[in-house]
Amino acid sequence: NAGVTQTPKFRVLKTGQSMTLLCAQDMNHEYMYWYRQDPGMGLRLIHYSVGEGTTAKGEVPDGYNVSRLKKQNFLLGLESAAPSQTSVYFCASSIDLTSYLSYNEQFFGPGTRLTVL
Amino acid sequence: EDKVVQSPLSLVVHEGDTVTLNCSYEVTNFRSLLWYKQEKKAPTFLFMLTSSGIEKKSGRLSSILDKKELFSILNITATQTGDSAIYLCAPSNFGNEKLTFGTGTRLTIIP
Repeated sequence: NAGVTQTPKFRVLKTGQSMTLLCAQDMNHEYMYWYRQDPGMGLRLIHYSVGEGTTAKGEVPDGYNVSRLKKQNFLLGLESAAPSQTSVYFCASSIDLTSYLSYNEQFFGPGTRLTVL
Repeated sequence: EDKVVQSPLSLVVHEGDTVTLNCSYEVTNFRSLLWYKQEKKAPTFLFMLTSSGIEKKSGRLSSILDKKELFSILNITATQTGDSAIYLCAPSNFGNEKLTFGTGTRLTIIP
């Protein structure tokens, strides 16, 4: 099992450019998440998905869009990149946090370092 | 709004020392609290705590939860340079698919 993978690993954008970050998991997890991590800010949730075809806003959703067309993939899009979106982006997946019997550990991908000039 | 506060924000100790990291939380319908270790890349899971007073152990690391006082501690004994990392805690709640992460404690072990 590859676990959670993210592409690309690094990217540099100019202000106003667009891009899509891809997250894939091979653990048949129901839930997937996109976080950003900035110095001193911890992990902040951007958007998440509780199943194929569903998405929901997290703590810091502005400027981002997501799609979950297939259960194993979760895409994060930046339509018009801004310097404030310079960050490290992590994707995570988990089985089912709402099931009492389910183990709610989130598994993380290796991260994407994005710089917006 | 759910809150998580970790302390200290940063800690520098010598190899062999024992450290205690703190995590206090305020969440509705608390379900569990998770601890993660983050070295250079992705956070990796350490412990999940659901019951008060029951210590979880893994080698030199141990953790305990106090659901009455709303905090958890992570202890590391006989620290090694490989313990240098950011340690994150994250409570979860019933009926909510999300974890709320603290800002983390950056631990540095000096040889």
